[in-house]
Amino acid sequence: DTGVSQNPRHKITKRGQNVTFRCDPISEHNRLYWYRQTLGQGPEFLTYFQNEAQLEKSRLLSDRFSAERPKGSFSTLEIQRTEQGDSAMYLCASSSRTGAEYEQYFGPGTRLTVT
Amino acid sequence: GENVEQHPSTLSVQEGDSAVIKCTYSDSASNYFPWYKQELGKRPQLIIDIRSNVGEKKDQRIAVTLNKTAKHFSLHITETQPEDSAVYFCAASLNMGGSARQLTFGSGTQLTVLP
Repeated sequence: DTGVSQNPRHKITKRGQNVTFRCDPISEHNRLYWYRQTLGQGPEFLTYFQNEAQLEKSRLLSDRFSAERPKGSFSTLEIQRTEQGDSAMYLCASSSRTGAEYEQYFGPGTRLTVT
Repeated sequence: GENVEQHPSTLSVQEGDSAVIKCTYSDSASNYFPWYKQELGKRPQLIIDIRSNVGEKKDQRIAVTLNKTAKHFSLHITETQPEDSAVYFCAASLNMGGSARQLTFGSGTQLTVLP
């Protein structure tokens, strides 16, 4: 499968614990995005990387959230001191610098449940 | 920031009929408008998109129209089939100099095609 992949697919954690998600974009895609989707809503933008540089962060991204893309390939999203309100589907998307460069392709998501 | 509104929130049609979903956006600078289809428990899939330099785009049974003056765009599905049943999201973004920015999504339309 050459699409965007995300791990884990599901994560259940207790309030106050830290969690980390991983996203592997489509090979050669230099742009990587994180979104959060809650039930019945459209995805909401969290942050965006071009290569290893984090270029934009949403106001939704509190200090407890941090994202990295150290080598410009895969990315991680960490949530510290999780809260019940963090329960959501976390989606990763990637897009290419060349060709259809505006198109964003989504991964299957990581569903986080905070108990 | 950009705000995208989508209507209706639910839509039921008979198989073979047409379905129309409408979205409005607030930022006149937005220039890229994709539509995603999301089946239950699956990733959003890009089905069609349009850029601000064209008014209409068609791909088989799916078409999208854009009215920049009124700041609204619509998805048209003809000859609907049961497998078209899903949640459809519109989105808007501002892309500058080949750099793809974040997508702002509408709240989604649950389309049900009745056999």
